[in-house]
This record gives sequence, structure tokens and C-alpha cells, in this order.
Amino acid sequence: GAVVSQHPSRVICKSGTSVKIECRSLDFQATTMFWYRQFPKQSLMLMATSNEGSKATYEQGVEKDKFLINHASLTLSTLTVTSAHPEDSSFYICSALKGTSGSTDTQYFGPGTRLTVL
Amino acid sequence: GEDVEQSLFLSVREGDSSVINCTYTDSSSTYLYWYKQEPGAGLQLLTYIFSNMDMKQDQRLTVLLNKKDKHLSLRIADTQTGDSAIYFCAERRTSGTYKYIFGTGTRLKVLA
Repeated sequence: GAVVSQHPSRVICKSGTSVKIECRSLDFQATTMFWYRQFPKQSLMLMATSNEGSKATYEQGVEKDKFLINHASLTLSTLTVTSAHPEDSSFYICSALKGTSGSTDTQYFGPGTRLTVL
Repeated sequence: GEDVEQSLFLSVREGDSSVINCTYTDSSSTYLYWYKQEPGAGLQLLTYIFSNMDMKQDQRLTVLLNKKDKHLSLRIADTQTGDSAIYFCAERRTSGTYKYIFGTGTRLKVLA
């Protein structure tokens, strides 16, 4: 199998607080995970690539100090939204890359986390 | 352009076939994927096709790839109400990188 979980599934927080979202690959190891953001009725926007044991690679326009990514083990990556504001409200989805660095590696997605900042 | 294009909506009757189209941008893309997203959920991998293939069939799903026109399609046979969802195509542009570029998504509505 290739199961990816996210926790929490839904979070509501006050403006100015920080929120941590966890992404776990449950039945495989993933040296690479990805974090996406999805606005209502829109496609997925890649925020960053998370690599186990090294710094994340952020896409252009994504603030690395705002969205902290830690990939401390082969099955867990975390995204922390620091000092959250209402404009950070969104659906955050992670994916984990399953494979052995061959060309057939495929991304498997978590169920997403709905963040609402009041 | 840089966008992977899909039509926004498709409506079909239960039992009919659905065809969802996608136009991608990079002829060097190695793999192309189809994902399904149900409301409030993550993405479920449906199938993928390698760029040297023209067609791939998996039960009710048939993927056609026209590399010359950079056109990808997903045909769902005998469409059911449970197939109602948003369908995303994605291209993996260059081997050695695992980044996917997602299409704009097609919302499929199946009418009973």
C-alpha cells in the first residue's frame, strides 16, 4: 500500500498563533515529501519540497520563515504556519514520494488539513 | 504557456462514458498522472502513463496520450454517481525531479 495521513484534519486558530500540521507515510518510507496549498475551486500550488535530513526547498514566492518545514524522519514531515493570519486560511495537502529514486516514483497524497484563521 | 489546461466542468448521465481532457506543456515530460479529489479530501492516484506509451487501460479507466499534440485524456467507462469528483492531470516534467505540475482540474458531475 501507500497510505499517507495528515493531522489534524481541521484546525481553527486565532490570528497570531502558530499551527503545526503533520504528514506521515504509514506503510512506506519517504525521503521526499511535498507540501501543497489549495484555494477553493482551484488547483494545487506547490509550496515546498521536504527532504529528510536536509533543508526544505521552497517555491518562488513562499516565505520560508512563515511556513517552517521539518522532515526529521523517513515517515514524518511537519509544516508549521507561524504567526498565522486570515489570509493563511486554506486547505493544505501533503504528499509523500514512494519509490527507490527510480523514474517510476509516484506521489501519494494525504487527506488534507483545513486551516481557518480567525 | 506554463499552465496545464483542463476544461472546468463535465456533466454525464450514469452509465455513459466520460472523457476528461488535459493539455500539458512540456514535451519532455516523463510521466503523466490522473488524480481524483472528492470534496474536502486529498488526492487519490487513479493511474499514470509513461511518455513512451500511447494508451493504458485499467478496468474502467483508459488513458490516451498524444505526445505530438501534448494531449492527455482519461476515459471512464460506465460512469457511476460515485465518480463525481474533481479530476486533476499532472505532469512530471523532467526525470530527476519529482515535482508535479497540476492541471486546473475538471469537475465531473454524474447525473442519475
